[in-house]
Amino acid sequence: GEEVAQTPKHLVRGEGQKAKLYCAPIKGHSYVFWYQQVLKNEFKFLISFQNENVFDETGMPKERFSAKCLPNSPCSLEIQATKLEDSAVYFCASSPDRYGYTFGSGTRLTVV
Amino acid sequence: KNEVEQSPQNLTAQEGEFITINCSYSVGISALHWLQQHPGGGIVSLFMLSSGKKKHGRLIATINIQEKHSSLHITASHPRDSAVYICAVLLYNTDKLIFGTGTRLQVFP
Repeated sequence: GEEVAQTPKHLVRGEGQKAKLYCAPIKGHSYVFWYQQVLKNEFKFLISFQNENVFDETGMPKERFSAKCLPNSPCSLEIQATKLEDSAVYFCASSPDRYGYTFGSGTRLTVV
Repeated sequence: KNEVEQSPQNLTAQEGEFITINCSYSVGISALHWLQQHPGGGIVSLFMLSSGKKKHGRLIATINIQEKHSSLHITASHPRDSAVYICAVLLYNTDKLIFGTGTRLQVFP
């Protein structure tokens, strides 16, 4: 389809629990990006993929965050042992060429 | 100092007014995006610019690469234009966007 589909829209986890977020990029888009929006307009780059290969993971807190993009499956972002400060909206975007972004509607993660 | 600065932070307008939102950046870029975020949070990409000017309906975006400045204009503003408008630059030779802090626009009937 022509939209980036993110699921779930909302996710609530107790501190220490695992959270898994999904992103289905637009068909034919080979680049996928994950961003974290913490405060109103504070966005942080997490990771990017070219097809199933990690392109840039310099923004990932590696000790608890992991991400995958496998063929014929939605991409995923997983947070082990969530902390309160992980509460944020996580946006996925896809692109055919690293320049033209289409964003998903985001997953709001609340850690309580 | 942020690498991407937007002004104003907040903007209130009456329906029909012409609106300008400005974005200045201090880094080398491959492209600049203007994004719209409504309450409830989804992000819509309005424009991607690497030079010149683009127009879509009542929206116009311009960029001056030499001056490292871009503007987003809304002609004949409407209450449904009320949203946060975000400027984001694609860092040169990377695939990372750096986001401005956004401009909250409210258009009243």
